[in-house]
Amino acid sequence: GAGVSQTPSNKVTEKGKYVELRCDPISGHTALYWYRQSLGQGPEFLIYFQGTGAADDSGLPNDRFFAVRPEGSVSTLKIQRTERGDSAVYLCASSPSGLVANEQFFGPGTRLTVL
Amino acid sequence: AQSVTQLGSHVSVSEGALVLLRCNYSSSVPPYLFWYVQYPNQGLQLLLKYTTGATLVKGINGFEAEFKKSETSFHLTKPSAHMSDAAEYFCAVSDDQTGFQKLVFGTGTRLLVSP
Repeated sequence: GAGVSQTPSNKVTEKGKYVELRCDPISGHTALYWYRQSLGQGPEFLIYFQGTGAADDSGLPNDRFFAVRPEGSVSTLKIQRTERGDSAVYLCASSPSGLVANEQFFGPGTRLTVL
Repeated sequence: AQSVTQLGSHVSVSEGALVLLRCNYSSSVPPYLFWYVQYPNQGLQLLLKYTTGATLVKGINGFEAEFKKSETSFHLTKPSAHMSDAAEYFCAVSDDQTGFQKLVFGTGTRLLVSP
């Protein structure tokens, strides 16, 4: 079956612009996670959805970042007024549920470059 | 707060040699521990995990890890390296206090395998 997909695979934008990054989770997975991976670092948690609601958004760095999952499937990470420091690989993962013992399945990521 | 330390950003081994990737964690509550592998241009893939029970955990591709509470360690090993093992490896920790699997990753170790 299909895994987690993310689009676009690469996004280059200019400082100050708005971007949207899309994640298509594995069908039937209720839990969805966003992480950010900067160069030379491990992934850092951004936000967790259980169904349509953001159960934990404590990892979002500031109010320029926002994510939605309106129908409990596809999720979009939105970044306003992008800054050069936002350049990173944004990873999405999904899981059958949020239980700690469940495996998170990761997508290939979107590489965001802010010029 | 939880944290993970991976000693050595790069580890080089010869094909057929023992692989040892080190991971130490910090957690105030019983941890759940994970090892992920990341191949170039691919998503993170779960190698193995420790939740409860047996402290020696076997994973895919011949890898295993041992949870040692007294040493706060979860080192990853493989008896004989293959060229195909060359990748980046991430150790991660979680717990069940947040009610979901909120992963905290280390900075990663790149495994290089020479013929």
